[in-house]
This record gives sequence, C-alpha cells and structure tokens, in this order.
Amino acid sequence: QSALTQPRSVSGSPGQSVTISCTGTSSDVGAYNYVSWYQHRPGKAPKLTISDVSKRPSGVPDRFSGSKSGNTASLTISGLQAEDEADYYCCSYAGSYTWVFGGGTKLTAL
Amino acid sequence: QVQLVESGGGVVQPGGSLKVSCAASGFTFSTYGMNWVRQAPGKGLEWVAFIWSGGRNTYYADSVKGRFTISRDNSKNTLYLQMNSLRDEDTAVYYCAKGGSYYFEYWGQGTLVTVSS
Repeated sequence: QSALTQPRSVSGSPGQSVTISCTGTSSDVGAYNYVSWYQHRPGKAPKLTISDVSKRPSGVPDRFSGSKSGNTASLTISGLQAEDEADYYCCSYAGSYTWVFGGGTKLTAL
Repeated sequence: QVQLVESGGGVVQPGGSLKVSCAASGFTFSTYGMNWVRQAPGKGLEWVAFIWSGGRNTYYADSVKGRFTISRDNSKNTLYLQMNSLRDEDTAVYYCAKGGSYYFEYWGQGTLVTVSS
C-alpha cells in the first residue's frame, strides 16, 4: 500500500491549462479503471472532482478532465480560474476493497 | 442533500482508545458502503477502512489493521470507528466518506484526533 506519486506543486496563470500527474503501479492505477480525484481546500471537506478515471460528477465544471495511460493517471484543468486553487489528491482502487491515495498536489493560480 | 457529520475526536494518550462517529443524512444510509479516511498534520490523505452496506464485511489499511474497528448502526444512520492502541502517528483529522462504486462520493468536515502524552 505505497502512496501514489504526485508532484508536490503545480502553478499556472488564469486561463492556462495545467496537468497533475499521478503515478502508481500495475497493482493499482494500471490494474483498474478506478482512479478518482479530489479537490481539498483548507478547512473544508474534500470534494469528488473526477471518478472512474474520467467521469465528471454533476456540478463539476467541464474544464476538469481526467485520463490514464498505463500506470499514470492525469487531471487536467483547462482555463484555470482563481477558485481552482486547492490541494488535489488522486486515489486508486487497489483490489480487495482497499484504496491508495497520492501525496497531494498544491495548485497555485498565479 | 447529503450530510456527514463527524464527532468524538479529542486528545488521547498513546496506547489509549477513542471512538469517533459519523451521523449521516440525506440519503438511504443502509444501502451504501462507507469509509474512513484520515489526514495527518501536513500530510496527504490516507484511506483507513471500508464497511459494506450491511455491515458484515470490513476492510482495513495495513497501518491500522488489528487496532481499529469500523462498524455501523443502520437504524441510527451512524458510522463508527473504534480506535485502540493509539500511536502518535494516528494523530489526524478523520473524515467519513460515502462510498460510490470505487470512489468517495461525499465527505464530512472531519474530526481531529490527537494522540499525545
């Protein structure tokens, strides 16, 4: 149950696109199409942003998108807005009803 | 709307025990799996435990297996986490999260557990 690997921080100017990567192994990210992403602002409840690699829950803006290739998943935010500043965590199902999270990425809108 | 409200956090000595709760509303609690996820100070999120809707099947992270017990009372729409043999590294905000298929659909605001002498 080793944590997935995410960059500690990413940044972009409003209107730009940013991508956060999430690297796991053939036992988690590579094995299942069950990668999810969570937006977490300080003092708030984490919020589901992407499920099942690329599904966007109702209410999440369409500038958020997800993808996966091999053992690496990615979250892309197109047309970055100031309100998107937050910590983002990826998570993968790891089999036998266990899950593993990434270490988190701090997104800064410059 | 879905609401998850955790309670019961506090300060406990190493080796001690604590039970936290999560009151659920806004959905049919008895038909969903539920999870506990924690975040230690300055660290990332860590999945802790999962329980099936009926409560019979439970699963744990290796870091808490044998020390923590997840349970639920569907008549009270409440999820629990009994924590025994607590260690310094168990200090964290504990979140309950409603299960989706293989993701965490809704989260509570969390309750802080501090293990310290």
